[in-house]
Amino acid sequence: GAGVSQSPSNKVTEKGKDVELRCDPISGHTALYWYRQSLGQGLEFLIYFQGNSAPDKSGLPSDRFSAERTGGSVSTLTIQRTQQEDSAVYLCASSLGTPGILWPQHFGDGTRLSIL
Amino acid sequence: AQKVTQAQTEISVVEKEDVTLDCVYETRDTTYYLFWYKQPPSGELVFLIRRNSFDEQNEISGRYSWNFQKSTSSFNFTITASQVVDSAVYFCALNAGNNRKLIWGLGTSLAVNP
Repeated sequence: GAGVSQSPSNKVTEKGKDVELRCDPISGHTALYWYRQSLGQGLEFLIYFQGNSAPDKSGLPSDRFSAERTGGSVSTLTIQRTQQEDSAVYLCASSLGTPGILWPQHFGDGTRLSIL
Repeated sequence: AQKVTQAQTEISVVEKEDVTLDCVYETRDTTYYLFWYKQPPSGELVFLIRRNSFDEQNEISGRYSWNFQKSTSSFNFTITASQVVDSAVYFCALNAGNNRKLIWGLGTSLAVNP
């Protein structure tokens, strides 16, 4: 596809379950970001991958959150033992160039996560 | 500390009015970059502009214009002759120094009514 693809679009799960969110960046984009957007709030940075460099995990809110990027392309954000406060829209973005942060970020449609 | 403030939470205008969205930033770095993104109701954030700290020229793109003033640490965004399709949440963001992430404002929700 031409844009950043995220799946699933919506995820409803029970408190305590683990969830995996997937992001397919634009082909050739070396930088990939995960953000969290709660209702009516701005974007909360979670994690940033740039090429083969060690990811910047400084935004992950707890050790229940982790992310990986395989082969420099697809990324998976995993939330273990979900809590109700994890309910939010999780956005993925990718950008071209190094450092990716200085390039326009292209966003996916997001995954709306609801924890019951 | 780095910070972006968008003081206007919500703005409502009537179509064809001009509207300015304010963005005030804080950083001690001399090299920094400022961004504006648009998030329409569909949800997907769209890049609008990037400006670096060494270029204070104002920029115009169609009905959109940006006023960058280092003296007041502001990077305001004006929409001329607003249209209903401009209705969205607009975010201002900052990257400064060696920071590898953007600092985002909380956004301004713009409603353009017919």
